[in-house]
Amino acid sequence: AQSVAQPEDQVNVAEGNPLTVKCTYSVSGNPYLFWYVQYPNRGLQFLLKYITGDNLVKGSYGFEAEFNKSQTSFHLKKPSALVSDSALYFCAVREATGGYNKLIFGAGTRLAVHP
Amino acid sequence: DAGVIQSPRHEVTEMGQEVTLRCKPISGHNSLFWYRQTMMRGLELLIYFNNNVPIDDSGMPEDRFSAKMPNASFSTLKIQPSEPRDSAVYFCASSLGQGGTEAFFGQGTRLTVV
Repeated sequence: AQSVAQPEDQVNVAEGNPLTVKCTYSVSGNPYLFWYVQYPNRGLQFLLKYITGDNLVKGSYGFEAEFNKSQTSFHLKKPSALVSDSALYFCAVREATGGYNKLIFGAGTRLAVHP
Repeated sequence: DAGVIQSPRHEVTEMGQEVTLRCKPISGHNSLFWYRQTMMRGLELLIYFNNNVPIDDSGMPEDRFSAKMPNASFSTLKIQPSEPRDSAVYFCASSLGQGGTEAFFGQGTRLTVV
């Protein structure tokens, strides 16, 4: 069965510093990987995804993520954090096989960027 | 496009009452997902449809929960009878196909059962 782990409940970063939000996954075959962000009282917004190709993917608002197959990880990164980046971040995985597969989310990591 | 539209945004009901949540997916999207979000359990996939057909409902917690998708532009999630432990935010999401396509989420329905 596929699963996603986000080992940190919360990440605290000073504004201007780089940030990393961690994600590891487990699937039987190859994965499709996604990052979403949720602001208070809002739905989830898509940030970026990895399907195939370049292991470093770039997304919205200056975020990027690196796919590492050997470590089964897909960490979210940003070179310089903004206070407005403070939100709840979710990693998600779907198994890349034929047929219809579930989109499974991690528990979420709360990012707090301090001025 | 207006995005995924859910109604109502907020619902407060008494235990034992029937609750119906509604979702209009993005036009042209053929996959639809219902998720439930709580502090304790995070974001849980309840059921998903492809081309209006339920593909996997293994996440539906009990027989009190049912979901339908009578056409490509409308889906409902019904809870009957409702219980206080059903209180959560329920999200609908849609995507164009499966695989590497991302899902787009509605604003959610915050359900409170008292």
